[in-house]
Amino acid sequence: NAGVTQTPKFRVLKTGQSMTLLCAQDMNHEYMYWYRQDPGMGLRLIHYSVGEGTTAKGEVPDGYNVSRLKKQNFLLGLESAAPSQTSVYFCASAGTGYSPLHFGNGTRLTVT
Amino acid sequence: KNEVEQSPQNLTAQEGEFITINCSYSVGISALHWLQQHPGGGIVSLFMLSSGKKKHGRLIATINIQEKHSSLHITASHPRDSAVYICAAYSGGGADGLTFGKGTHLIIQP
Repeated sequence: NAGVTQTPKFRVLKTGQSMTLLCAQDMNHEYMYWYRQDPGMGLRLIHYSVGEGTTAKGEVPDGYNVSRLKKQNFLLGLESAAPSQTSVYFCASAGTGYSPLHFGNGTRLTVT
Repeated sequence: KNEVEQSPQNLTAQEGEFITINCSYSVGISALHWLQQHPGGGIVSLFMLSSGKKKHGRLIATINIQEKHSSLHITASHPRDSAVYICAAYSGGGADGLTFGKGTHLIIQP
């Protein structure tokens, strides 16, 4: 049972480049989340989804887009990367909003 | 917005010591999560509780709803317990109702 799988694990981008981070879960969870983790700050919610075909903005959505075309996958896109988006990104899933979270292993992104 | 504060920020202890990490929050909550982030970066869920106490092995989590405070205890600490421990308060109101603390960096020395 793989749980939550994030790809890639590491990425370096130049300013202005685009990329997509993929999150896949095999637990049939409805809720999926994208967070970013920066030094000295708690995890901050970028976007989330409460089911296939639905997405919503979190605390820090600017510069990111998401899609949830299939229940098991939640994609995070950066259309034009900026150095301020250098961070570690975590995907998480849960059965409901009141359930334990299952995290992916993170993606370390550097934008130069 | 809920404000979640953890203390201490950093803690170094000797193997075998009893460890306590504290979490306080400003707004009433439906549930509180304790998470562990390993040195390699992965995050795992340790507990989710809304009242009383939960125990798993050497880990114990307690919550006092009236005082808006939760504690995570580690008994007989071991170097493998070295990690960042994060609390997160769920205020309800939807999937975005979770606020994370900044974490407590714990080092257990042999």
